Amino acid sequence: SQKIEQNSEALNIQEGKTATLTCNYTNYSPAYLQWYRQDPGRGPVFLLLIRENEKEKRKERLKVTFDTTLKQSLFHITASQPADSATYLCALTGGSYIPTFGRGTSLIVHP
Amino acid sequence: GAGVSQSPSNKVTEKGKDVELRCDPISGHTALYWYRQSLGQGLEFLIYFQGNSAPDKSGLPSDRFSAERTGGSVSTLTIQRTQQEDSAVYLCASSLKGENPEQYFGPGTRLTVT
Repeated sequence: SQKIEQNSEALNIQEGKTATLTCNYTNYSPAYLQWYRQDPGRGPVFLLLIRENEKEKRKERLKVTFDTTLKQSLFHITASQPADSATYLCALTGGSYIPTFGRGTSLIVHP
Repeated sequence: GAGVSQSPSNKVTEKGKDVELRCDPISGHTALYWYRQSLGQGLEFLIYFQGNSAPDKSGLPSDRFSAERTGGSVSTLTIQRTQQEDSAVYLCASSLKGENPEQYFGPGTRLTVT
């Protein structure tokens, strides 16, 4: 069955450092991979999308890589700030248009 | 509207009662999704509407769950004879159309079944 894995342990980093979050998947051939941010008590907010034929996508301090051979995406936040503290979800979408979400990784940026 | 809205924001109900949860998607978005999120769990897909096509109900956990989308806009998720395991946050999302994977989520309805 399709499986998406995100590190369940919280990632603690110091302000100003680069945060790197990982999303691994198995038994899936996604057309798109997306990253969302979720704050407590709120719905997820779309951040970035990368297509299967793209290797890297950037938006301001955010960078996503997508390796369909390794079946892995890395999500980077450079010059991290305490306001970046949240849970980050990855989601994969194939031909059915119904995304499958990972459980998310909590990021805590310490001042 | 500015974004996806959901009501109520919180709902406490007794076991065995029926509940209705409402979602107002972004105007012009033809695709609408319902998800359920339990504490510490990922988003569990429930149902997907695309325009006037028959909805994809493959994620509904039991026949106690149903959803409608009237006029291609507002959607209502109904849970009949609620059980304690139905307690969760129910999230609605819309996208421009199904082929656009970027989804816009509402704030969710927190359902507590006592």
